[in-house]
Amino acid sequence: DAKTTQPTSMDCAEGRAANLPCNHSTISGNEYVYWYRQIHSQGPQYIIHGLKNNETNEMASLIITEDRKSSTLILPHATLRDTAVYYCIVRSYGGSQGNLIFGKGTKLSVKP
Amino acid sequence: NAGVTQTPKFRILKIGQSMTLQCTQDMNHNYMYWYRQDPGMGLKLIYYSVGAGITDKGEVPNGYNVSRSTTEDFPLRLELAAPSQTSVYFCATVGGYEQYFGPGTRLTVT
Repeated sequence: DAKTTQPTSMDCAEGRAANLPCNHSTISGNEYVYWYRQIHSQGPQYIIHGLKNNETNEMASLIITEDRKSSTLILPHATLRDTAVYYCIVRSYGGSQGNLIFGKGTKLSVKP
Repeated sequence: NAGVTQTPKFRILKIGQSMTLQCTQDMNHNYMYWYRQDPGMGLKLIYYSVGAGITDKGEVPNGYNVSRSTTEDFPLRLELAAPSQTSVYFCATVGGYEQYFGPGTRLTVT
């Protein structure tokens, strides 16, 4: 699975959009981009995933560049409860499912 | 539907003691995983199972054992606890595209 690079930390004002970048320049054609988050000491929580098209769900939007070498997770109206570590993970789907490879992620702090 | 449950939530062990971390899922998923997370780090895979009776090693299996006699249960066994095993342990299953994690067990070995 391809490696990802994320900033160590980011701040965001409450109510504003939080844009979390991720670089995955070695991504291959069958690999998806997944985002998970981990709120203090809890188990990681799935947010969203995508292959090449932009995706949106009730939690967030995922914007993937046309060359697929980077992506951005957008939380449209960040709240204090969105303070967490956000993990960008690239992996293929199928075969041995799961086995997500977690890096250190981005620690997002949402401030009032 | 409880999802993935883990017991205990917290445990303190002395060096050399043994214990079993329990993991149960009620989603009828075939795949189950054990991860550990050290302070400030991402999760590392210890063992995984693709179905009852089948287990395989992950990235950091040394010092641990697993079994999978039923679809629901995937216990993790520590035989001779060492300080290096102080960590938070997460059990997970996967269904479709999404991986579901338990709340974790915080283990301290002193």
